[in-house]
Amino acid sequence: AQRVTQPEKLLSVFKGAPVELKCNYSYSGSPELFWYVQYSRQRLQLLLRHISRESIKGFTADLNKGETSFHLKKPFAQEEDSAMYYCALIEKGAQKLVFGQGTRLTINP
Amino acid sequence: ETGVTQSPTHLIKTRGQQVTLRCSSQSGHNTVSWYQQALGQGPQFIFQYYREEENGRGNFPPRFSGLQFPNYSSELNVNALELDDSALYLCASSVTALTEAFFGQGTRLTVV
Repeated sequence: AQRVTQPEKLLSVFKGAPVELKCNYSYSGSPELFWYVQYSRQRLQLLLRHISRESIKGFTADLNKGETSFHLKKPFAQEEDSAMYYCALIEKGAQKLVFGQGTRLTINP
Repeated sequence: ETGVTQSPTHLIKTRGQQVTLRCSSQSGHNTVSWYQQALGQGPQFIFQYYREEENGRGNFPPRFSGLQFPNYSSELNVNALELDDSALYLCASSVTALTEAFFGQGTRLTVV
C-alpha cells in the first residue's frame, strides 16, 4: 500500500535557524509529491509540489528516489512559518491524495 | 473566483443517526474529493467525484456515500453514525483528479 511517513509530530526551532521537515514515502511507480500547510485558523493549502521545482516562501523540497524521501527545507526560519505541515502523494490509479500524519512546526522568537 | 465552502461548520449528532455534509466547489472545478481527518492524524481519502460519477473510493464502509450535482457541488452522507466517525471532514475541489486540490475549511462532526 502507498504510504507517507512523517516521523516527527512536533518540531521546534528558533527564528533564523534552518528547518528540515522529514517525509518518507512508499510508492510503486513514479510518485508525485506535495507539501500542504495549514496555518492557525486557516484551511489546508498547497505549499509546493515536486514537479514544479519552485521555492515557495523560502521552502524547497527535493525528491530523492533512492532514499524515497521528500524533505522540506528552509535555510532561515521565520515566526510566520509556524504551522502544521503535511506531506502527501497522489496515488494515480485511485485518484487520491495520501497524506502523512503531519508535523507541527513551531518557530520560537 | 470563489473558494471551496463547506456547511455546516460544526455539527453534533447522536450515535445511530444520519448526517449530510455539503460542499460548494471552487468555480471551474469539476472534481471533488472528501477526506476524514481524525484528531492528530492526516486527512484520509473517503471518495472522489468527477462530473457526477464516483471516481475513486478509499477504505470506508458503504454507509459513507456521496453525491455530486450538475453545478459540481457535493454532499457526503453518513448513515448509522458511530462514535469513531467524530472527525473533521474536508472537501477539496480541483480541475482534474491530478491537479492542485483546493480545500474547504471543513466540517467538525461530533458523534455522542
